[in-house]
Amino acid sequence: DIVMTQSPLSLPVTPGEPASISCRSSQSLLHSNGYNYLDWYLQKPGQSPKLLIYLDSNRASGVPDRFSGSGSGTDFTLKISRVEAEDVGIYYCMQALQPPFTFGPGTKLDIK
Amino acid sequence: EVQLVESGGGLVQPGGSLRLSCAASGFTFSSYWMTWVRQAPGKGLEWVANIKQDGSEKYYVDSVKGRFTISRDNAKNSLYLQMNSLRVEDTAVYYCVREGIKCGADYWGQGTLVTVSS
Repeated sequence: DIVMTQSPLSLPVTPGEPASISCRSSQSLLHSNGYNYLDWYLQKPGQSPKLLIYLDSNRASGVPDRFSGSGSGTDFTLKISRVEAEDVGIYYCMQALQPPFTFGPGTKLDIK
Repeated sequence: EVQLVESGGGLVQPGGSLRLSCAASGFTFSSYWMTWVRQAPGKGLEWVANIKQDGSEKYYVDSVKGRFTISRDNAKNSLYLQMNSLRVEDTAVYYCVREGIKCGADYWGQGTLVTVSS
């Protein structure tokens, strides 16, 4: 199975400041079609997770453009250009290249 | 509007069985892979199983292989998870999830809690 790791696991951020989360996979997530099968999800307190980014760098419908994803192969990054209070929650990366799909441990973002 | 509504959770003793259901609406159910994801209390997300559009392919995480069975009824727009030989460590909120065309999980249900305890 592909193992996913994330850092940091805790991320306190001042509103208006940028934030960055790293995600690494134990195997390359690059498919032969040229896409990296890496998604990002946000679980806000008391809610179900929601898709933020798919195929490494594509924002899901309705996701603000302050969120961006990048990377390739085994190293990926989620960036928030200017953190807002509504961005608090736990961010998970997930590989969707081969089953069983696997999640990272999560990064908890909170406001300083 | 895509809706996924889980049911069937509850309290069960170790070694017992439970069947979860997920009612899907707002999309062509038979056109999508479907997935179950779980989350133990205070813990992260764990992908459990998925099933192809016609039910011909199924995949499971190792920890549930041989105990859980995923199935679907496209005529009823429903997804199921039969859970046998339940263990304390299976205690979690179980989410019904639609696997997107280009991603692992584009819509999630609200979840149903399964508690395995004596």
